[in-house]
Amino acid sequence: GEDVEQSLFLSVREGDSSVINCTYTDSSSTYLYWYKQEPGAGLQLLTYIFSNMDMKQDQRLTVLLNKKDKHLSLRIADTQTGDSAIYFCAESIRPGTYKYIFGTGTRLKVLA
Amino acid sequence: NAGVTQTPKFQVLKTGQSMTLQCAQDMNHNSMYWYRQDPGMGLRLIYYSASEGTTDKGEVPNGYNVSRLNKREFSLRLESAAPSQTSVYFCASRPDATNEKLFFGSGTQLSVL
Repeated sequence: GEDVEQSLFLSVREGDSSVINCTYTDSSSTYLYWYKQEPGAGLQLLTYIFSNMDMKQDQRLTVLLNKKDKHLSLRIADTQTGDSAIYFCAESIRPGTYKYIFGTGTRLKVLA
Repeated sequence: NAGVTQTPKFQVLKTGQSMTLQCAQDMNHNSMYWYRQDPGMGLRLIYYSASEGTTDKGEVPNGYNVSRLNKREFSLRLESAAPSQTSVYFCASRPDATNEKLFFGSGTQLSVL
């Protein structure tokens, strides 16, 4: 079945890099996403990667995709206290359908 | 820009009571979704509406009903609330079938006692 797994917590010091990992099971995923949820708010799309790409960089964010191992990671360079939030990995099974599978979320805490 | 607006933000119900969660989007999006978020379980899809006039069940539809009143509004109704429905509920919308991005509301925190 389809499943997306993430570790629940990550703590880093301000200025360090953060790496949030995600594994998924469905090899037919077309897009993989990273969403950010700040306290008391809904989810906001941070970035996404198409399944035929290995890497995508967007300012401080780097997404790496290892399709063979079904592993997705989000690296945040120079992590700031404002990056403290819950980060969700998600996959889209087929384009144009409703079916998004979300992970459990990783709570990132940035220590000053 | 309002985006996706959900009301109410907080609600406490007694077991057996009914209520409707409201969601409206002002972005002219075709598709709308209702998710619930529970600790350690990520987001699970309750119902979705691919376009105005259509609704379909998601992963966890039992105990819920929905109405796509028009293109803007998509409501979620709990006919007889149960403690297992205590959760944070999110409404989301998507522009069309070619655009994969979901836009989320800020959520409704529901407690059923």
